[in-house]
Amino acid sequence: NAGVTQTPKFQVLKTGQSMTLQCAQDMNHNSMYWYRQDPGMGLRLIYYSASEGTTDKGEVPNGYNVSRLNKREFSLRLESAAPSQTSVYFCASSEFLSGSANEKLFFGSGTQLSVL
Amino acid sequence: RKEVEQDPGPFNVPEGATVAFNCTYSNSASQSFFWYRQDCRKEPKLLMSVYSSGNEDGRFTAQLNRASQYISLLIRDSKLSDSATYLCVADNTGFQKLVFGTGTRLLVSP
Repeated sequence: NAGVTQTPKFQVLKTGQSMTLQCAQDMNHNSMYWYRQDPGMGLRLIYYSASEGTTDKGEVPNGYNVSRLNKREFSLRLESAAPSQTSVYFCASSEFLSGSANEKLFFGSGTQLSVL
Repeated sequence: RKEVEQDPGPFNVPEGATVAFNCTYSNSASQSFFWYRQDCRKEPKLLMSVYSSGNEDGRFTAQLNRASQYISLLIRDSKLSDSATYLCVADNTGFQKLVFGTGTRLLVSP
């Protein structure tokens, strides 16, 4: 049972470089999310996709783009990386859009990104 | 003021102790509340949902106090394996569906 798989696990970029973080889930979930986690800040929502074909901005979308390629896959792209984007990134999925008392977020194992 | 606030800890307790964490939330319209557990350098995992009537799962009890806008997590008979960071989560009826607290760190020692 793979659950939510995200790649890569670690990445070092130079300022201005671009990269795409990949995420895939095998639970047939409708909704997918990208979060970043910084010390003292908690998990913050970057973008989410309520269902296949839709994407919406979260709390901190600037500097990022996303693509919901199909029901399984949701990628996060940094077009021109900045040191402020150094963080741990988590992809997550849920059966439906989170917020109901019975919804459960399943997280990937995270990507440690450093931008020099 | 942060939307969800937690004492960062760490809470250092011996095995077998009872420990409680509180978490306050600012949005009175929040309807759903959760506790997630996060081990060091790992992903968060749902520990339990928090219902209005309170709920219990083995050694863990979660309570909601709407009047004072806080939720609590009580852990009885602490185990070494309970050492982790506990994240408080509330839904936000605004554009961001779930708001995570920064977490409370628990260290259980032999």
